[in-house]
Amino acid sequence: EAGVAQSPRYKIIEKRQSVAFWCNPISGHATLYWYQQILGQGPKLLIQFQNNGVVDDSQLPKDRFSAERLKGVDSTLKIQPAKLEDSAVYLCASSAGTGGLVFFGQGTRLTVV
Amino acid sequence: AQSVTQLGSHVSVSEGALVLLRCNYSSSVPPYLFWYVQYPNQGLQLLLKYTSAATLVKGINGFEAEFKKSETSFHLTKPSAHMSDAAEYFCALRVNAGNMLTFGGGTRLMVKP
Repeated sequence: EAGVAQSPRYKIIEKRQSVAFWCNPISGHATLYWYQQILGQGPKLLIQFQNNGVVDDSQLPKDRFSAERLKGVDSTLKIQPAKLEDSAVYLCASSAGTGGLVFFGQGTRLTVV
Repeated sequence: AQSVTQLGSHVSVSEGALVLLRCNYSSSVPPYLFWYVQYPNQGLQLLLKYTSAATLVKGINGFEAEFKKSETSFHLTKPSAHMSDAAEYFCALRVNAGNMLTFGGGTRLMVKP
């Protein structure tokens, strides 16, 4: 079974630029998550989708971050404009549903200079 | 609100020695607890999980963890460290309300020859 796919793997941008990340979850997984992992810290949930609806986005900085999962399958996370402190690894994860195991992608490492 | 604390951001052991990575949690409801491992430039891989069945949980690669409610702990152990165990380890908690994982800050395990 294919795992969670993310692209790109690495991205370097200047501050105030925009960037987008893409995630394709495991086939059939209804729940999709975006986590932010700052160097030296544990992952922090940004947003959780159930199918194409948002379950939890309480920790998403909505003034600059946005995410969508229009067809309930793949998802994009966007940052506009980026700040230096957004430098982190952005992890996408998915699970079959409530109570299911959570599987992580390899992440996108963002460097903002 | 729930939280996870991992004592020791860095642990160094000799090859063949006991590995002990500490995790304490805080939760107002019975938690589900997980240990994940992250190798460099990789996503998180599930090592083991506690879901209110047996308190001693065995995982992959010879790791195990014991849930101790009285101590609110879920420490990860391995009898004999291998060089390949060098990685970052994250303890995580989930409550019944949903699938959101709350992570600890991580412990980097170094194995000396």
